[in-house]
Amino acid sequence: QLQLQESGPGLVKPSETLSLICTVSTGSITSISYYWGWIRQSPGKGLEWIGTISYSWTTYYNSSLKSRVTISLDTSRNRFSLKLNSVTAGDTAVYYCASRSTSYGSVDSWGQGILVTVSS
Amino acid sequence: DIQMTQSPSSLAASVGDRVTITCRASQGIRNDLGWYQQKPGKAPKSLIYLASTLQSGVPSRFSGSGSGTEFTLTISSLQPEDFATYYCLHYNSNFLTFGGGTKVEIK
Repeated sequence: QLQLQESGPGLVKPSETLSLICTVSTGSITSISYYWGWIRQSPGKGLEWIGTISYSWTTYYNSSLKSRVTISLDTSRNRFSLKLNSVTAGDTAVYYCASRSTSYGSVDSWGQGILVTVSS
Repeated sequence: DIQMTQSPSSLAASVGDRVTITCRASQGIRNDLGWYQQKPGKAPKSLIYLASTLQSGVPSRFSGSGSGTEFTLTISSLQPEDFATYYCLHYNSNFLTFGGGTKVEIK
């Protein structure tokens, strides 16, 4: 399995942009074997898929977040990022980055997660 | 969007019990479904993919079945380390949806 690690600020003010990075330390983000994505979990709640990006930069977003989300690749640093704008308290969650097998479709590797709190 | 309805939302069981969790898809998703285990404060762990294929290293007491719209995760003999929350995830399209989760607690 791949090793992924999220990083970014743990506190974001309402109406601002949440920005996170996922560094992939094993495997290449340009590999055709994987898609890359973000999943979040609000405190005490279930898992919510945010979006996915392919090795060819094609993106897929949860329809409920689509207007506010951007996922992109940074091939020079073997990492990918999440930007979520106009955040509210409802965006407070643990954010996980993850990889998805293009062979089987399954989400197989996860980062450890990062708690992001939206508060003034 | 495809909706995944998972049941029950929680259950209490004893060590050694057989446990069954179900996920229903709002439309057919072939066998494009995975099962995940999550313990408090930890990232989810993949148990099963393609509805019935066990991930490497996962104990054989876990099994998955189903195709189309109805899927089942079975733990044949519940062990102390299995008390956790379980989620199904469909990936039939490039738009993924998780089930609501099932919390397995100690009776």
